Amino acid sequence: GESVGLHLPTLSVQEGDNSIINCAYSNSASDYFIWYKQESGKGPQFIIDIRSNMDKRQGQRVTVLLNKTVKHLSLQIAATQPGDSAVYFCAEMTNAGGTSYGKLTFGQGTILTVHP
Amino acid sequence: KAGVTQTPRYLIKTRGQQVTLSCSPISGHRSVSWYQQTPGQGLQFLFEYFSETQRNKGNFPGRFSGRQFSNSRSEMNVSTLELGDSALYLCASSRRGSGELFFGEGSRLTVL
Repeated sequence: GESVGLHLPTLSVQEGDNSIINCAYSNSASDYFIWYKQESGKGPQFIIDIRSNMDKRQGQRVTVLLNKTVKHLSLQIAATQPGDSAVYFCAEMTNAGGTSYGKLTFGQGTILTVHP
Repeated sequence: KAGVTQTPRYLIKTRGQQVTLSCSPISGHRSVSWYQQTPGQGLQFLFEYFSETQRNKGNFPGRFSGRQFSNSRSEMNVSTLELGDSALYLCASSRRGSGELFFGEGSRLTVL
């Protein structure tokens, strides 16, 4: 049959605004979470990660929040810039630290568009 | 420091043919993973190699295979190509024990 493309969520913001991208994960056994950014024609690029024993981690202009109770992950981007326009993916890993390195389960992605 | 290099970047094949894709990891990275990206299914894990051994495998048919060489370079092969194999194939390398994967720009395969 005909394949149907994923309908990616979209987020449009103005330059300088803060952006929040959300992600729900399904595997309660996942213990490591990562956000990736993918620009057109490029491979995904690591942004920030967080382990399940944490609920918040900050990087440069980015913050990741993890709520294990509701299995929810969010990425906050401060002072969003046009160069932040891309598709953002959350990814999860189970048994990180064991045998699962390299095996990520990716979310569907969110398209972020930043208007100057 | 050179990034992950994938070759070829683009290729067109016909149904029934086979294809081999190559990946050179970042120097010092011994773990190499492969992913398939399509509009319909998103990013899906194919397999991971470390020290020339497949450590993890995703839910893909046996037509999809790979290997890793002693210099950590990796290849993946898809035999008996189907139209649905058209996709961007991404390779990622990492230091073992790190979840930070460094992706290449991918090999875009079109099957006609």
